[in-house]
Amino acid sequence: GAVVSQHPSWVICKSGTSVKIECRSLDFQATTMFWYRQFPKQSLMLMATSNEGSKATYEQGVEKDKFLINHASLTLSTLTVTSAHPEDSSFYICSAASPGGGTDTQYFGPGTRLTVL
Amino acid sequence: AQSVAQPEDQVNVAEGNPLTVKCTYSVSGNPYLFWYVQYPNRGLQFLLKYITGDNLVKGSYGFEAEFNKSQTSFHLKKPSALVSDSALYFCAVRDGVSGNTPLVFGKGTRLSVIA
Repeated sequence: GAVVSQHPSWVICKSGTSVKIECRSLDFQATTMFWYRQFPKQSLMLMATSNEGSKATYEQGVEKDKFLINHASLTLSTLTVTSAHPEDSSFYICSAASPGGGTDTQYFGPGTRLTVL
Repeated sequence: AQSVAQPEDQVNVAEGNPLTVKCTYSVSGNPYLFWYVQYPNRGLQFLLKYITGDNLVKGSYGFEAEFNKSQTSFHLKKPSALVSDSALYFCAVRDGVSGNTPLVFGKGTRLSVIA
């Protein structure tokens, strides 16, 4: 299957700082990527849909000014957690699917564990 | 709006025995159903999907799932469990065939295979 990478795999930061997480589709192009958040022992919750060349679509309750998403190319989407606080500590996972072409499966990155002190 | 229910938080099974992880769904249109597996501190790995066609879907690592429209279920099964199958399993649904439609996940079921 297709490969999606994330960087970094884990990050620890101080409260008030910003953290950028990258999501890359390595062997395919993705017009759409998704960002999910997973708390311990819980399911994945969709945060936003990232669209290449346009603004992201955020789910209800997700602060767009806090979680900045940029989808600058067909292989890269970034999530920046601005002014991070301890409650932002979580496991962030991205996914991507090829645009059309018969591929209808989303492939997930390995996740980024964010710990805010 | 679509939703997925995984009624069991935990499933325990002895190695070599068959396993079933349950999933029921609710969608307004045609269901597109998926199973993913997550190992500790890892992302999700795709196991199998039902889009259309045969109700019995075969996937990775010997897993299969049966789509049952009348019972709105998509239970994951494996004839003979391995210790290495121990992980967290997620059922997911979306209401569009395109991969550019987000998935809605169940809460997950932790499978523990005991040697």
